[in-house]
Amino acid sequence: DAKTTQPNSMESNEEEPVHLPCNHSTISGTDYIHWYRQLPSQGPEYVIHGLTSNVNNRMASLAIAEDRKSSTLILHRATLRDAAVYYCILKPDNYGQNFVFGPGTRLSVLP
Amino acid sequence: KAGVTQTPRYLIKTRGQQVTLSCSPISGHRSVSWYQQTPGQGLQFLFEYFSETQRNKGNFPGRFSGRQFSNSRSEMNVSTLELGDSALYLCASSLELILTDTQYFGPGTRLTVL
Repeated sequence: DAKTTQPNSMESNEEEPVHLPCNHSTISGTDYIHWYRQLPSQGPEYVIHGLTSNVNNRMASLAIAEDRKSSTLILHRATLRDAAVYYCILKPDNYGQNFVFGPGTRLSVLP
Repeated sequence: KAGVTQTPRYLIKTRGQQVTLSCSPISGHRSVSWYQQTPGQGLQFLFEYFSETQRNKGNFPGRFSGRQFSNSRSEMNVSTLELGDSALYLCASSLELILTDTQYFGPGTRLTVL
């Protein structure tokens, strides 16, 4: 399975944008990039996913590099509720739904 | 729509016992996956079921097993419990097995093995 590399932790101030990077240099052409986050004492929750083009939804934006070897999750205005562990996952084009989770990035949001 | 529910939420067992955990997916979802989360190993995939058939299996010993019923509800069983099985067990459901399907996770069952 293709691997992702993320910083162990990041800090942000409330109401400021946050850019969470993810490196995936061994990504294959059909791997989708998924982002999930896990709030304290909860199961992971879906944030966003994309293949090649930048994607936006109500929670976040996903910027994918042209060579697809890296991506950035953008939270436009961090809130205290955004404090969580963020996982960048590559979903290979094979049968099945299993995700290979890395250690993720622990985001702290300061008031 | 109700989310993924897992029962029980907390469980304490002793070494050598066996345990069964239950997962009810979101209504209409046919795929159920199970994950183990520990501080040391993080989130690790256990197995995945779709239409009552195991479609994928992670790298866990045979003591870990599961099944899915015709209503898509799923159970996982761990036999001969070891201290290292203490973990948060998460269940996730999705509509199908499509590559871009979103997985919806339950709150997990926290298992403590003494």
